[in-house]
Amino acid sequence: DIVMTQSPLSLPVTPGEPASISCRSSQSLLKSYGYNFLNWYLQKPGQSPQLLIYLGSNRASGVPDRFSGSGSGTYFTLKISRVEAEDVGVYYCMQALQPLGAFGQGTKVEIK
Amino acid sequence: EVQLVQSGGGLVQPGGSLRLSCAASGFTFSDYSMNWVRQAPGKGLEWVSYISSSSTTIYYADSVKGRFTVSRDTAKSSLYVQMNSLRVEDTAVYYCARDRRGPGHAFDIWGQGTMVTVSS
Repeated sequence: DIVMTQSPLSLPVTPGEPASISCRSSQSLLKSYGYNFLNWYLQKPGQSPQLLIYLGSNRASGVPDRFSGSGSGTYFTLKISRVEAEDVGVYYCMQALQPLGAFGQGTKVEIK
Repeated sequence: EVQLVQSGGGLVQPGGSLRLSCAASGFTFSDYSMNWVRQAPGKGLEWVSYISSSSTTIYYADSVKGRFTVSRDTAKSSLYVQMNSLRVEDTAVYYCARDRRGPGHAFDIWGQGTMVTVSS
């Protein structure tokens, strides 16, 4: 099974400043036709998770452009160009290559 | 509005059964694969089941295999999971989630979640 490892697990941020979360997979998520099967989700406090990024770097509908996903193979990064107060919550990466793919442990983002 | 509205859940004793429902609206339910994802209290997310749009492909996590049965009803635009032989470790918020069309799996619409508590 593919194991997903996120870092850091806790990230205090300052509004207006950038932030970055890393996600590493135990196997490559890159398929031969060029897709990286890696998604990012945000679960805001008391809410259901929401899709932010799919296929490594594609923003989901309605996601602000301050969110971006990058990386390939086994190493991926989610970046927030300028953090806003509404961005607090737990961020999860998830491998979408195999059915029932694993999520990362989650990274809790909170305002300093 | 595209949405998934969940029902069911509650308190059940170990060994008991429960059925969760997820009603879809605002989109053509039969075009999408669907999923169940759960979250134990204070813990992360666990993808527990997948069912394809035509119900021909179904997957279960090892943790629920043989105890949970997922199904869907196109006429009612609804997704279900029948949970039998429930264990204390099944205690979690259960979410239904739509699988975005296209390569891979990405859950683009989520239900509001329903709490299942297994306790004596």
